Amino acid sequence: GENVEQHPSTLSVQEGDSAVIKCTYSDSASNYFPWYKQELGKGPQLIIDIRSNVGEKKDQRIAVTLNKTAKHFSLHITETQPEDSAVYFCAASMGAAGNKLTFGGGTRVLVKP
Amino acid sequence: GAVVSQHPSWVICKSGTSVKIECRSLDFQATTMFWYRQFPKQSLMLMATSNEGSKATYEQGVEKDKFLINHASLTLSTLTVTSAHPEDSSFYICSAPGPSGATNEQFFGPGTRLTVL
Repeated sequence: GENVEQHPSTLSVQEGDSAVIKCTYSDSASNYFPWYKQELGKGPQLIIDIRSNVGEKKDQRIAVTLNKTAKHFSLHITETQPEDSAVYFCAASMGAAGNKLTFGGGTRVLVKP
Repeated sequence: GAVVSQHPSWVICKSGTSVKIECRSLDFQATTMFWYRQFPKQSLMLMATSNEGSKATYEQGVEKDKFLINHASLTLSTLTVTSAHPEDSSFYICSAPGPSGATNEQFFGPGTRLTVL
């Protein structure tokens, strides 16, 4: 089955700096890669996703890049703000809609004011 | 966007009792829903896939007789933790694929915190 590795497990940045989280996946059949933000005591919220036919996607301060050959994808947050502090999870999925997600281990991001 | 709700948001029960958690898709229909368990400071682990009109599919290592899943309608799936024990204390989260059917996007509920005394 699919295996998703995520690094780093914790990340502390100064407000205004950039944060980068990296994930690798094992199954080349995976074609959908979402990123979720989870705040304490809440369910995950989708912040951005990318499909295997695209190499990069950007939404304001958030961007995701995908390297299919190397089987890794990354989340980039620019101009970080204290409200960006949360746990971020990457995930991978394959096939049609409704296929299950395999999650990475999570990255706890702390943005220091 | 699609909204998924869970009820209750938290529950405390005594060891040996059963607890039912509901997952509802509020503004769309979902023939499939997923149930996850998340221990403190850990990732989400898929427990089972709930299928409307058929039996749930459980992940390896998940006891189907302990975690009963019923996909009662196109908008409701329930997870019943039977004979709960303290080690079942966890954060249980459900998700459902989006209404468009054309993407892999999943929408998550707010989670249910279960504490077994």
